[in-house]
Amino acid sequence: SYVLTQPPSVSVAPGKTARITCGGNSIGSKSVHWYQQTPGQAPVLVIYYDSDRPSGIPERFSGSNSGNTATLTISRVEAGDEADYYCQVWDSSSDSGVFGGGTKLTVL
Amino acid sequence: QLQLQESGPGLVKPSETLSLTCTVSGASISSSSYYWGWIRQPPGKGLEWIGSMYYGGSTYFNPSLKSRVTISVDTSKNQFSLKLSSVTAADTAVYYCARLSNFNWYFDLWGRGTLVTVSS
Repeated sequence: SYVLTQPPSVSVAPGKTARITCGGNSIGSKSVHWYQQTPGQAPVLVIYYDSDRPSGIPERFSGSNSGNTATLTISRVEAGDEADYYCQVWDSSSDSGVFGGGTKLTVL
Repeated sequence: QLQLQESGPGLVKPSETLSLTCTVSGASISSSSYYWGWIRQPPGKGLEWIGSMYYGGSTYFNPSLKSRVTISVDTSKNQFSLKLSSVTAADTAVYYCARLSNFNWYFDLWGRGTLVTVSS
């Protein structure tokens, strides 16, 4: 089955840029989606189709995907961005949804 | 307002069947653009996709759970349901229902989630 690998944690100072990676075999050939989950809440889609933002998501959130790594970038990080972030793909070879293990973003 | 709401027992005994229902409001479950699915999250852990179903009957399941999972859709009630059989403590989790876009296969709308504990 397809595996997505994320770093368990990323720390960043307010106002700086956070980059959260999602690794997978030839992930650049797949569409990658990202979700933000704050404690006690349901996940919220923040990036879909590698780099598109749903309405209501700030432009500070962006995404890229190439080779074996997809990246979620959060610019000008705010305290409210502190959350768990999950990447997700659809593995067409097994017709399965796959989530990464999640990355906890800490704003210092 | 478009919403998904999970409902069902919060406590299930080991070896029994977990049953949850998701009620969709503000949109038709018979839309050709979406599948409807279930995701779970054990306490303190990450997200795990369980399975998804199209209103017309097509289904996809997590291979690791496939033998125990049933997902069904009731278009008359605008609801879909999850049944997970032979549960153990490892099935204790928050269960989310969600809408899955069948164009790029992302979950664009989630319910608030419901905690199901497996314990005698």
